[in-house]
Amino acid sequence: SQQGEEDPQALSIQEGENATMNCSYKTSINNLQWYRQNSGRGLVHLILIRSNEREKHSGRLRVTLDTSKKSSSLLITASRAADTASYFCATDPGNTGKLIFGQGTTLQVKP
Amino acid sequence: ETGVTQSPTHLIKTRGQQVTLRCSSQSGHNTVSWYQQALGQGPQFIFQYYREEENGRGNFPPRFSGLQFPNYSSELNVNALELDDSALYLCASSLGQTGETQYFGPGTRLLVL
Repeated sequence: SQQGEEDPQALSIQEGENATMNCSYKTSINNLQWYRQNSGRGLVHLILIRSNEREKHSGRLRVTLDTSKKSSSLLITASRAADTASYFCATDPGNTGKLIFGQGTTLQVKP
Repeated sequence: ETGVTQSPTHLIKTRGQQVTLRCSSQSGHNTVSWYQQALGQGPQFIFQYYREEENGRGNFPPRFSGLQFPNYSSELNVNALELDDSALYLCASSLGQTGETQYFGPGTRLLVL
């Protein structure tokens, strides 16, 4: 079963704009991770935020986590055409390395 | 590039056949997890191997089985293939059973006709 639900399912923006994706999950977590997938290939780890953290930055990425609402958001600033991909949130409720993924947000950045 | 490799990249089989997919983990990693990703869906956890032992399994039938070798590479075997087994199969390696960051291979796309 899917733990996370991403919103929106699809997002289309112009280059230079910001993109925000949201993820909701059901059970308590130790951490939440975001992954990117290009054209149905392997997933690339973007960022991990722990349950005791509220916000984390990595380059043009900003992730927030609200454990009271069981939700997270991923913000990509100043988007580029190369950011076009599917983005997934993943949780590991038992901290066992068995990731549970959402269905993903497909982002299209138009040049 | 994560250092995780998978073979083959693509595979076409017919219903009822058996298939073996292979994964080489990143150097130094002792844990391999396998995921199935149907078209338009997120990956679903199949099982995990830690130091050659199965260490947890998702909601997949017994005809999905695996192995991990002393060098920590791994195989995923699927018997009696069904049309619904058509998917992208991803392996991911990590260090330790609670490996937080998983490094994914490029996947094997399986089509069952």
